[in-house]
Amino acid sequence: AQTVTQSQPEMSVQEAETVTLSCTYDTSENNYYLFWYKQPPSRQMILVIRQEAYKQQNATENRFSVNFQKAAKSFSLKISDSQLGDTAMYFCAFMKYDNAGNMLTFGGGTRLMVKP
Amino acid sequence: EPEVTQTPSHQVTQMGQEVILRCVPISNHLYFYWYRQILGQKVEFLVSFYNNEISEKSEIFDDQFSVERPDGSNFTLKIRSTKLEDSAMYFCASSRDTYSNQPQHFGDGTRLSIL
Repeated sequence: AQTVTQSQPEMSVQEAETVTLSCTYDTSENNYYLFWYKQPPSRQMILVIRQEAYKQQNATENRFSVNFQKAAKSFSLKISDSQLGDTAMYFCAFMKYDNAGNMLTFGGGTRLMVKP
Repeated sequence: EPEVTQTPSHQVTQMGQEVILRCVPISNHLYFYWYRQILGQKVEFLVSFYNNEISEKSEIFDDQFSVERPDGSNFTLKIRSTKLEDSAMYFCASSRDTYSNQPQHFGDGTRLSIL
């Protein structure tokens, strides 16, 4: 079984600054996917960024980037130039690599507040 | 952009009653999921559904739970005899495929309160 841990229940950052959210996971799988989802207040979860474990290059999506350390089983999210609209709950998630209609295993979430 | 829609947004039910939570997945998606989040806890997988049958389910998804795709658009979660501990936020999700380039899209959730 997989576990995902987010050690920071809450974080805050000043607008325009950079913040890094931590995520570690535990698995015996070699091939898998990792995701960061964002859930704004009273809104649905939306995908922020994804990483395939077999890719060494860290994924980047505009202001969002990850630091994927496979050996350390670490998958942190960096948000650059933070905006007020980035205020949300952020969930790290794991998915095995196979074709069985796979479940996502979530971490406990980090509540991020961007302050003006 | 197409969205997963869930109804109702909030359901209040007496303990022991049956409840049906409804979801309309994105129209060209083939895989459907239910997750739940008890207040203050992690989002947990319940079940995945493909080709009109359950493809994977968690330990939480016991005989009290069932899922159905009664027509071409709806995907429902039924809880037969609700318990206090079923109070949670229930999320429906759908995806075109099971690979990372076809991620799961989530609905806004239904908050279920059992009295």
